[in-house]
Amino acid sequence: KQEVTQIPAALSVPEGENLVLNCSFTDSAIYNLQWFRQDPGKGLTSLLLIQSSQREQTSGRLNASLDKSSGRSTLYIAASQPGDSATYLCAVMQGGSEKLVFGKGTKLTVNP
Amino acid sequence: EAEVAQSPRYKITEKSQAVAFWCDPISGHATLYWYRQILGQGPELLVQFQDESVVDDSQLPKDRFSAERLKGVDSTLKIQPAELGDSAMYLCASSLTPTSGIYEQYFGPGTRLTVT
Repeated sequence: KQEVTQIPAALSVPEGENLVLNCSFTDSAIYNLQWFRQDPGKGLTSLLLIQSSQREQTSGRLNASLDKSSGRSTLYIAASQPGDSATYLCAVMQGGSEKLVFGKGTKLTVNP
Repeated sequence: EAEVAQSPRYKITEKSQAVAFWCDPISGHATLYWYRQILGQGPELLVQFQDESVVDDSQLPKDRFSAERLKGVDSTLKIQPAELGDSAMYLCASSLTPTSGIYEQYFGPGTRLTVT
């Protein structure tokens, strides 16, 4: 059974700092990996999707990498801003299934 | 930009009552998902539809939960009777057809259910 772990569970940083969020998964037979952002009491916003054949994806100040063989992904946020404060969720889609398996998320707080 | 629509946004109901949630996926998205997210946890899949057919409902508590997507477009998730443990965020998502090779899921704003 696929398990997704996100470390740390919570992170507080000063504005302007570069930071890395980590995601690990137990079964490397994935189709893709998706990073989401969730604001309190809201739905999920897709940030980046990495296909299993890709190593990384970039969008603005965000960069996500994927090392399928080691079961790891990182989300790099450059020059963090208070507006980046939210919970970041990592999810993997298993090969042969369209179900996403989620981690519990990392709650990020960026202090002005 | 097209979005997944859900209603209601918030629902408070008493234990043993019936409750229903509605979802309208992005136009053209054949696959629709219902997820449940308990506070502090990641979402977990309840049911997946491909057009009007159920593809995966292995985690749906079928004694009290039901879901339908009669015309392959919008969908309804029902709970009867509601229990205290059903309090959670119910999220709907949609994606393009598998033949497109694109499985990116787009989520709606969710329905926050509180059972008292």
